[in-house]
Amino acid sequence: AQKITQTQPGMFVQEKEAVTLDCTYDTSDPSYGLFWYKQPSSGEMIFLIYQGSYDQQNATEGRYSLNFQKARKSANLVISASQLGDSAMYFCAMRLGTEYGNKLVFGAGTILRVKS
Amino acid sequence: DVKVTQSSRYLVKRTGEKVFLECVQDMDHENMFWYRQDPGLGLRLIYFSYDVKMKEKGDIPEGYSVSREKKERFSLILESASTNQTSMYLCASSLGRGRLVSEQFFGPGTRLTVL
Repeated sequence: AQKITQTQPGMFVQEKEAVTLDCTYDTSDPSYGLFWYKQPSSGEMIFLIYQGSYDQQNATEGRYSLNFQKARKSANLVISASQLGDSAMYFCAMRLGTEYGNKLVFGAGTILRVKS
Repeated sequence: DVKVTQSSRYLVKRTGEKVFLECVQDMDHENMFWYRQDPGLGLRLIYFSYDVKMKEKGDIPEGYSVSREKKERFSLILESASTNQTSMYLCASSLGRGRLVSEQFFGPGTRLTVL
């Protein structure tokens, strides 16, 4: 069964430090994509970063990077130099390759709190 | 700027009422989705649509139906609302088939309370 697991319900990090949010996935499909979304307290879902299963290099977007370890089926999000505005819920999601487009399966999420 | 809008941010309904949640996107996206979000469960897909008048069941379709009469609009219908449908409902849209790097764009969400 295709599944996303986020084992950390909540995390704390000191401002300006780096933090890693864990995500493991399970799929037998060789073609898949992994996404990270941020959901602040206001509720909107903000797309952060994407990694394709055939991408050779780890994805990076500004302070966000994705530590993609295919053999371990993990796709951890690394946030460098944490800021107070990074406090939010973070979701890992996997794109399932249906003929109808990109359906996503989400993990349960990790709440990140950045301390000053 | 891409935009997905939902008709209400907060909604309170009574058990047994028929409830309509509306979602509109202005990006000419083929795919549209309805999720519900509950603490500890993440987002779960209720229904999605890949074209006008086309729909597919997601993981938790029971108690819900959908309508897509126009490309830009996707409606979620609770035929007879129940208290276990109290939740946050999120609408999303994305580009069509064959787009490997096509993220979903989300609306602001509707927090529905069924009394």
